[in-house]
Amino acid sequence: QVQLQESGPGLVRPSETLSLTCAVSGLSISSGYYWGWIRQPPGKGLEWIASIYYSGSTYYNPSLKSRVTISSDMSRNQFSLDLSSMTAADTAVYYCARHTSGWGFDFWGQGSQVTVSS
Amino acid sequence: DIQVTQSPSSLSASVGDRVTITCRASQSISTNLNWYEQKPGKAPKLLIYDASSLQSRVPSRFSGSGSGRDFTLTISSLQPEDCATYYCQQSHTTPYSFGQGTKLEIK
Repeated sequence: QVQLQESGPGLVRPSETLSLTCAVSGLSISSGYYWGWIRQPPGKGLEWIASIYYSGSTYYNPSLKSRVTISSDMSRNQFSLDLSSMTAADTAVYYCARHTSGWGFDFWGQGSQVTVSS
Repeated sequence: DIQVTQSPSSLSASVGDRVTITCRASQSISTNLNWYEQKPGKAPKLLIYDASSLQSRVPSRFSGSGSGRDFTLTISSLQPEDCATYYCQQSHTTPYSFGQGTKLEIK
């Protein structure tokens, strides 16, 4: 069974960079598939942030592209998200998930609450 | 960017009712439309992918249809555990986008 687990700081100060990691178990991230990040502000809907293909190709939401970097570490079977210049508007639950081209996000992490506050 | 508009934003129905939620894309997306169920405090769960394919272990009372711009999620006989928020999502083109959500309540 594929499992994903996010980890990162629960609190980030304004203007700082958020770094999140998603550890994958039950499947090698180098075996195929896309691996992505989605966020959900409190009481709001879902927003796709970025995805990385097993080959290393990356895809970003243009609304966040200037501040986002997605990367993978196959030796640790995990992938990561960096989001710079954080503001209160970035306060959200951040999810990592697996997906295939054209199809849905089929395995999700439990989510990581991130609050931006001084 | 492709926008997806979901309706209604909320609805209330009784156990046993047939429930329909619709999603319209701003341009044709073939069948690259997926549906999710999200319960409070939990991650979304994939119900339907590729417009009409039932994800593994999802009850058969859930079904999806449509192609091009217009799509439908149907629950054939509403159960108490179906109380949740439902989202559609287009996977045709990046940036992937989600509908605004439909909050389903049980009368």
